[in-house]
Amino acid sequence: ETGVTQTPRHLVMGMTNKKSLKCEQHLGHNAMYWYKQSAKKPLELMFVYNFKEQTENNSVPSRFSPECPNSSHLFLHLHTLQPEDSALYLCASSQATPNYGYTFGSGTRLTVV
Amino acid sequence: DQQVKQNSPSLSVQEGRISILNCDYTNSMFDYFLWYKKYPAEGPTFLISISSIKDKNEDGRFTVFLNKSAKHLSLHIVPSQPGDSAVYFCAASALGNQFYFGTGTSLTVIP
Repeated sequence: ETGVTQTPRHLVMGMTNKKSLKCEQHLGHNAMYWYKQSAKKPLELMFVYNFKEQTENNSVPSRFSPECPNSSHLFLHLHTLQPEDSALYLCASSQATPNYGYTFGSGTRLTVV
Repeated sequence: DQQVKQNSPSLSVQEGRISILNCDYTNSMFDYFLWYKKYPAEGPTFLISISSIKDKNEDGRFTVFLNKSAKHLSLHIVPSQPGDSAVYFCAASALGNQFYFGTGTSLTVIP
């Protein structure tokens, strides 16, 4: 398998649930990202990992918890989410530096009920 | 404060005509720019890039123009095809660091 793969594609969860999003890249990249896309808003950068180390956390609430066990895998653990967290969550990868652009996964469409 | 802006949320064009999508930015340190294309239920895919040392880059039907003094870039699609109907995002970065994205422009090409 090539590119950036995200699972699941769709997720519906209650506000008290705990779930995880998974991302895997087979491109040999050493940086991975979580983005959130809400309607009529720009893509919002949530977390950045360079060489498995978290280098950026854009003031994301603690109910979102990232994990990067190696440079090919990235997780986003979700717990006690709010309905306003419903969005498309996109994973991307790139070379760390210089960054000439991202390769995105297909995203996980999350609905919090 | 949004550093990359796409002020037209949508655009409709007849098949065969030119589509022009616009993007403005505020950070004069931005030196590398990308356009991504996104179909529904898919992630954005890379379309074309331009470095600040150039003012034009062409790839088939797609051309990106950069006007540094105006902090403006545009994507031209000629001729437009129905398969080009998608949301187009511009993105900008400085010195090989993270990219900042616009809100996207939804292009509809009418057969």
